[in-house]
Amino acid sequence: DVKVTQSSRYLVKRTGEKVFLECVQDMDHENMFWYRQDPGLGLRLIYFSYDVKMKEKGDIPEGYSVSREKKERFSLILESASTNQTSMYLCASIGGNSPLHFGNGTRLTVT
Amino acid sequence: AQRVTQPEKLLSVFKGAPVELKCNYSYSGSPELFWYVQYSRQRLQLLLRHISRESIKGFTADLNKGETSFHLKKPFAQEEDSAMYYCAHKGTSGTYKYIFGTGTRLKVLA
Repeated sequence: DVKVTQSSRYLVKRTGEKVFLECVQDMDHENMFWYRQDPGLGLRLIYFSYDVKMKEKGDIPEGYSVSREKKERFSLILESASTNQTSMYLCASIGGNSPLHFGNGTRLTVT
Repeated sequence: AQRVTQPEKLLSVFKGAPVELKCNYSYSGSPELFWYVQYSRQRLQLLLRHISRESIKGFTADLNKGETSFHLKKPFAQEEDSAMYYCAHKGTSGTYKYIFGTGTRLKVLA
């Protein structure tokens, strides 16, 4: 069974802080994703990566960056957190013919 | 642009009643469509995909290319079906960029 693990379930950060959200998958998937989940807006793609050190912007990359130094790990970075980045963040991975597999999510509150 | 539309934010039905969650897509080719479900305090997970043509937990979804729809149906709703449901289309640009709808919250009332 595919396991996508997000390191934190809840995070509270202050405006201006640098925030790291970590995600690890154990199925050797090439592709990994970061989404924001907001009520009424569904899932919006922030960034994705199709290989180590490769990344592409999604639909809402502003204010975010990512890092993929190892195949199993995909990190989302908020360089300077703002209150409008308060949200649920979902990590996902996929490979071959498998469907998207999601982590449990990290609920980030920026005060 | 490719788009997935779920017109209902909230759908409330009584237990035992039929359920239909609507999903429309905009894509001119052969789409790959999915339904994902998120139960309370659980991760988002695949419910079914159109290429499987299977029934999961009593739910089915038929691709209607003429109407560009992929509605999710169940003849008799159960309380445990209460959840958030997302329709998704797999991007066709050679990557795995899924496009999600805005989601429909299903509440099954006792």
